[in-house]
Amino acid sequence: EAGVAQSPRYKIIEKRQSVAFWCNPISGHATLYWYQQILGQGPKLLIQFQNNGVVDDSQLPKDRFSAERLKGVDSTLKIQPAKLEDSAVYLCASRRDGGKLNTEAFFGQGTRLTVV
Amino acid sequence: QKEVEQDPGPLSVPEGAIVSLNCTYSNSAFQYFMWYRQYSRKGPELLMYTYSSGNKEDGRFTAQVDKSSKYISLFIRDSQPSDSATYLCAIAGNQFYFGTGTSLTVIP
Repeated sequence: EAGVAQSPRYKIIEKRQSVAFWCNPISGHATLYWYQQILGQGPKLLIQFQNNGVVDDSQLPKDRFSAERLKGVDSTLKIQPAKLEDSAVYLCASRRDGGKLNTEAFFGQGTRLTVV
Repeated sequence: QKEVEQDPGPLSVPEGAIVSLNCTYSNSAFQYFMWYRQYSRKGPELLMYTYSSGNKEDGRFTAQVDKSSKYISLFIRDSQPSDSATYLCAIAGNQFYFGTGTSLTVIP
């Protein structure tokens, strides 16, 4: 089965600019996660979708970050305006059945964002 | 208090050594425990997962959970240079809570 696809792989922007990341999860996976991984740290959850509904966005900085998952498939994560501290790898992951906690989450390669 | 804490490392070992990677967690309600491996510039990939207490073995890798002390471990036997990566422990609730990762380098 094809893996989780993310684009772009790398992005460099200036602070206060906007940026968008795209994720295509594995076909049939109901749950989609966006994680932020700062260098030297573990991934931190930003937002979780089940189908096209938001399950948890408690750690999403909503003043600058937004995410959507239209039609319950692809998802985009946007940052506007970006700050220097947003420099990180943004990982998308999907999971087959959000109701069963033991199913594996598959991660994409990530988008490495550098804000200068 | 973080949900999961991980020994930060980094670790550098000679080829063939036994490696021990460790994490502790705070919420005794969690029952699914995972180890992810992350190569440089790649996303995390699931290495092993265990349910509740006990050991699980897969080739050179053994995952161990001690729920009484809220301690999870990953042992790598006969370590290889290809094992050089960052290892992340994770616990699963409705989301995944990750440790900070331990960078491992196996020297040929």
